[in-house]
Amino acid sequence: LAKTTQPISMDSYEGQEVNITCSHNNIATNDYITWYQQFPSQGPRFIIQGYKTKVTNEVASLFIPADRKSSTLSLPRVSLSDTAVYYCLVGVPGAGSYQLTFGKGTKLSVIP
Amino acid sequence: DAGVIQSPRHEVTEMGQEVTLRCKPISGHDYLFWYRQTMMRGLELLIYFNNNVPIDDSGMPEDRFSAKMPNASFSTLKIQPSEPRDSAVYFCASSLGELFFGEGSRLTVL
Repeated sequence: LAKTTQPISMDSYEGQEVNITCSHNNIATNDYITWYQQFPSQGPRFIIQGYKTKVTNEVASLFIPADRKSSTLSLPRVSLSDTAVYYCLVGVPGAGSYQLTFGKGTKLSVIP
Repeated sequence: DAGVIQSPRHEVTEMGQEVTLRCKPISGHDYLFWYRQTMMRGLELLIYFNNNVPIDDSGMPEDRFSAKMPNASFSTLKIQPSEPRDSAVYFCASSLGELFFGEGSRLTVL
């Protein structure tokens, strides 16, 4: 399973764009990159998933360089409600092994 | 769909008592996962099932923990006997691809 490395914490002011980078040097050919968000007292929830280049949805964008050894989750114009822990996972969607390791994630604190 | 449903939401018990946590996955999802979350250890996978069959229980901390999935719509995680170090939030998740988590069961063992 590809191991991921993320910053433990980040701070940002409201209205700014936040970029959280995840390193996954031993990503396999069939692996996808998925990000989850967890608010206090809730379970994690899916944000975005991608394989290469760029993926965008209503919540975030995911940038993946050509070598796929890292990825960046971009949150545009964050608000206080984006304060949460963000997890990066790497694996093959739909396979049980994909879900194994969440790690500690990145705790994002948005400051007014 | 109502999402993944867990019960109870909160449980306070005394050391040595049996604890049973319950989970109803989203209909049609073929994977079910039990996680435990603590401040010190983060989110740990305990066990997961595929089509009601346990696939990997290597994360179950010890024999005091057991999990069952008698059918596609129900799973239990049992701790017997419980100990204070079992205090944590226990999450159930189901999946066809990405994970859908329940709201968790917060267990406090005194």
